[in-house]
Order: sequence, then C-alpha cells, then structure tokens
Amino acid sequence: NAGVMQNPRHLVRRRGQEARLRCSPMKGHSHVYWYRQLPEEGLKFMVYLQKENIIDESGMPKERFSAEFPKEGPSILRIQQVVRGDSAAYFCASSPESRGGETQYFGPGTRLLVL
Amino acid sequence: GQQVMQIPQYQHVQEGEDFTTYCNSSTTLSNIQWYKQRPGGHPVFLIQLVKSGEVKKQKRLTFQFGEAKKNSSLHITATQTTDVGTYFCAGQSGGYQKVTFGTGTKLQVIP
Repeated sequence: NAGVMQNPRHLVRRRGQEARLRCSPMKGHSHVYWYRQLPEEGLKFMVYLQKENIIDESGMPKERFSAEFPKEGPSILRIQQVVRGDSAAYFCASSPESRGGETQYFGPGTRLLVL
Repeated sequence: GQQVMQIPQYQHVQEGEDFTTYCNSSTTLSNIQWYKQRPGGHPVFLIQLVKSGEVKKQKRLTFQFGEAKKNSSLHITATQTTDVGTYFCAGQSGGYQKVTFGTGTKLQVIP
C-alpha cells in the first residue's frame, strides 16, 4: 500500500516562474492538507481540501497561491510568480476523514528553491 | 485562533541522558498527536492520546495528556543518537477537528 506521494521531490525555479507541486494521497484517503516548512522552523498549515472542495484555506497567502483537489488525479499546490521567500519544503498529508482522531500521513515533501 | 506552543525550542543532551518536551494549547483539545521529523525527512506519526490524563509508552518514550486536555509531554529515557530529530505535537479540536501543529522541539544527542 503506497504511502503519500509527492512530486517533484526537488524543484528549482527562477523568480517570476510558476511552481506546481503534486500530492497523491494514500489509497482510500479523501482528505489532503498542505503545510509549508521554512528551514529550522515548524510546520505552517496552508490549506485543507477534500475532493473538489476547499474546506479551510486560512493559512494560504492571499495572492499567488492556489490549491485544488480534483475528482480525479492528485492535489495540486500552485505558486505563481515565485519569489525567493517561497523557498521552503512543502509537505502534503492525507487522512481518511477528519471527524476527529484521524492520523495525518505525510508525504516526503517537495523542496522548492527559488533562485 | 488556536495556538500550540512547545518548549524548549532546542535541546542538546548527552547520550544516555533523559529528554522531555512540553506542549501547551491555548484551547481544550479533543486529542493530541506526536510526530517525529528526522533531519531532511518528513514528519512521521508516533502516537495519539485521547483521554484526559492518558499515559502511553513506546519503549523508551512516554507520552502524557494533561487532565484538562490542554497540555501534553513526551519524555525519552536514556536518549540514543537515533532519537535525533524534531518532535512536534499536534492538537486537534474545533468544528472539523482542525489539526494545529506545535512549534517543535529540536533534539540533538551528543555521543
């Protein structure tokens, strides 16, 4: 049973380019969470999605960032016109549901470097 | 909004010494989870505590959930170099049971 998959594992972009990060949840999981982690810092919640729905995007920057979790295919975190401050590790986690007591299983992360 | 703080932020211990990290939430939690992140790795689930005053053990690790369900601790007995990493608590509460991660405690074990 494959775990949470993220790709690419490493992504290098120049300022102004777009970054697309993909996350495939564990089989049977319909809830996806995205977190950002700056070097030597903790996990900052960004967004929580279910299939075709954004449940909580309170941690997403108001501009340039968007996320989706379509009916088919992986969840996508999109960063437009990247800036150096976007350099970070972006982790995706999935859970089967979110009624309480559900463990989040993390993917290996995408390390984004903006030059 | 809910805040979850951990202390200390960093801890250096000699191999064989004990280690404790404390987690405090600004609100009452329905449950608390603990994760470990090795350097360069991703968070890995360790355990979940649900009941008030609950204590769970995993080999050298002891986890406690406070009576008021607002704080928790992780204690490691006789640390080993394999214990190196950052330990995060994560509290769950609210309407859709949002999980809020603590600030983390980075443990360094000196051989």
